[in-house]
Amino acid sequence: DIQMTQSPSTLSASVGDRVTITCRASQSVNRWLAWYQQSPGKAPKLLIYEASSLESGVPSRFSGSGSGTEFTLTISGLQPDDFATYYCQQYTSYSTFGQGTKVEIK
Amino acid sequence: EVQVVESGGGLVQPGGSLRLSCAVSGFTFSSHSMNWVRQAPGRGLEWVAYIDRSSSPIYYAGSVQGRFTISRDNSKNSLYLQMSSLRAEDTAVYYCARTFFGKVAPRPNYWGQGTLVTVSS
Repeated sequence: DIQMTQSPSTLSASVGDRVTITCRASQSVNRWLAWYQQSPGKAPKLLIYEASSLESGVPSRFSGSGSGTEFTLTISGLQPDDFATYYCQQYTSYSTFGQGTKVEIK
Repeated sequence: EVQVVESGGGLVQPGGSLRLSCAVSGFTFSSHSMNWVRQAPGRGLEWVAYIDRSSSPIYYAGSVQGRFTISRDNSKNSLYLQMSSLRAEDTAVYYCARTFFGKVAPRPNYWGQGTLVTVSS
């Protein structure tokens, strides 16, 4: 099974900050990597697919990069609605999610 | 408008059984594979099961293999999850989702709002 590890687990930031979340895979997933945002009590929302492609309707302040085993999600200019938990998901072999990164208000 | 609506959750004793249902509308259900994904209280997302468009192939997470059965009825635009031999660690919100799996990458993703399963005596 492919394991996904996110860091950090929690991130404290302010509105306007640039934040970066890292996701590492236990083996190569090529670019079969997605990022989701989840707010409390809500279903996950797709942000990025194929490592760096922005889902339709998602603000351009969200960007993804990486390939193989190391990936990053960057939010450039954090907005109030962005305080949430973020998950990476590999889908090269079955499906595995990272444990999540909570972005909280500093 | 796309709707994905789960039902069937509730309180069940350890060792018991429960059947979850997911009713889909707004997209051609029979043309898409589907998944169940769960989230234990305060925890992360865990993929549970996958079913292809015509009900084959089917895959399960190791944690539920042999205890859960995923199925679908394309004539009713419905997805199901039969859960048996339930354990406390199966307590979670269960999401029905048209999401990514094994290089299958449908867009948009569609997720329901989830149904809570609580396994407790």
